[in-house]
Amino acid sequence: AQKITQTQPGMFVQEKEAVTLDCTYDTSDQSYGLFWYKQPSSGEMIFLIYQGSYDEQNATEGRYSLNFQKARKSANLVISASQLGDSAMYFCAMREAFSGNTPLVFGKGTRLSVIA
Amino acid sequence: GAVVSQHPSWVICKSGTSVKIECRSLDFQATTMFWYRQFPKQSLMLMATSNEGSKATYEQGVEKDKFLINHASLTLSTLTVTSAHPEDSSFYICSARGDGGANVLTFGAGSRLTVL
Repeated sequence: AQKITQTQPGMFVQEKEAVTLDCTYDTSDQSYGLFWYKQPSSGEMIFLIYQGSYDEQNATEGRYSLNFQKARKSANLVISASQLGDSAMYFCAMREAFSGNTPLVFGKGTRLSVIA
Repeated sequence: GAVVSQHPSWVICKSGTSVKIECRSLDFQATTMFWYRQFPKQSLMLMATSNEGSKATYEQGVEKDKFLINHASLTLSTLTVTSAHPEDSSFYICSARGDGGANVLTFGAGSRLTVL
């Protein structure tokens, strides 16, 4: 079974508008971390935001916020005031058994295109 | 912040040759590094977990004799693609966890391998 599901292969958003990228996850661990990375065409993976499973408040980092709904096992990324430079692939990822050196498991990604 | 350097960024080689990719943690020690492979328009797939001073742990379906991983020091892990073939052409990217118990994995810039 997929650990991370991103159901939107592609999304379009008007410049300056907000956009939500969906992510659901599957785990039986109590301790885990959820991450969002941005991958522009250059290929580098840019860390955006992190949410721990025990964090009670939704994470925010500048224009990025993570809508964490633990009971629904969802961790949607909200980008406010979209900019042309936000056009990229966005990956949701999870690390289970968080206390150890566990790898990230990625979803299939969502390609975001920001329109002027 | 934690910086991971990956080299080379691009490599083109003939079929049957071997290619070595280096992943260095520049400002921290990384006892564990992770190697991912990404085919065009797909997600990152974990290939192996590289542990300093011990054998790497490979994911199911990844040939350990083909993808040799050496993690001889706390700041360097190498991935050698042996007897490369065109189907090995891909984007290879490494990541490591920063010291101090950081939650976020930092990625190298990736290495794009093209086998002719």
